[in-house]
Amino acid sequence: DGGITQSPKYLFRKEGQNVTLSCEQNLNHDAMYWYRQDPGQGLRLIYYSQIVNDFQKGDIAEGYSVSREKKESFPLTVTSAQKNPTAFYLCASSTWDGPSYNEQFFGPGTRLTVL
Amino acid sequence: DAKTTQPNSMESNEEEPVHLPCNHSTISGTDYIHWYRQLPSQGPEYVIHGLTSNVNNRMASLAIAEDRKSSTLILHRATLRDAAVYYCIRLGGAQKLVFGQGTRLTINP
Repeated sequence: DGGITQSPKYLFRKEGQNVTLSCEQNLNHDAMYWYRQDPGQGLRLIYYSQIVNDFQKGDIAEGYSVSREKKESFPLTVTSAQKNPTAFYLCASSTWDGPSYNEQFFGPGTRLTVL
Repeated sequence: DAKTTQPNSMESNEEEPVHLPCNHSTISGTDYIHWYRQLPSQGPEYVIHGLTSNVNNRMASLAIAEDRKSSTLILHRATLRDAAVYYCIRLGGAQKLVFGQGTRLTINP
């Protein structure tokens, strides 16, 4: 089955530690995205990547880093510089046809809790 | 400003139609209107999108006002599985979805 996988589903970390969230897709999509969701709120874009070895900051990139070394993978690192990292993190992917819109497919999410 | 305005919550009964409104008064001529929905503790799911004309798919219909300043998502016959938060999103270039707080839809059996 084609889709997006995120692991782990739940993640706990101690304050001051970096942590990396995994996102893998086998849909052959060029574009991938990371969003953050806080309780009762909509999603906010952290980073996105249109093509391998390239990525752009979203609206709330501070305290996060990403890499895009493979088309299938777009890991997100939550660094100790992120002041309030406890949240639900969602990864998505889509085809990329320039300015025209394409449906984004979302993974099941990773719930990160900082202790 | 890419924001849209939606009611915080709506309630309907099973097997009845549901009309979810969205205002986007500052929309530009090339912005698409998209709808996603999100069930609890899951990622959002694409529902439908359109530009100027009304659109239909297997999940829903999208009615876009002639001046494009508002739109309505129509679920023709709601089921309990349609209970979710529905997001109305404007998209103009760069494919950056900007989510608001959405409308929490409750379906009564």
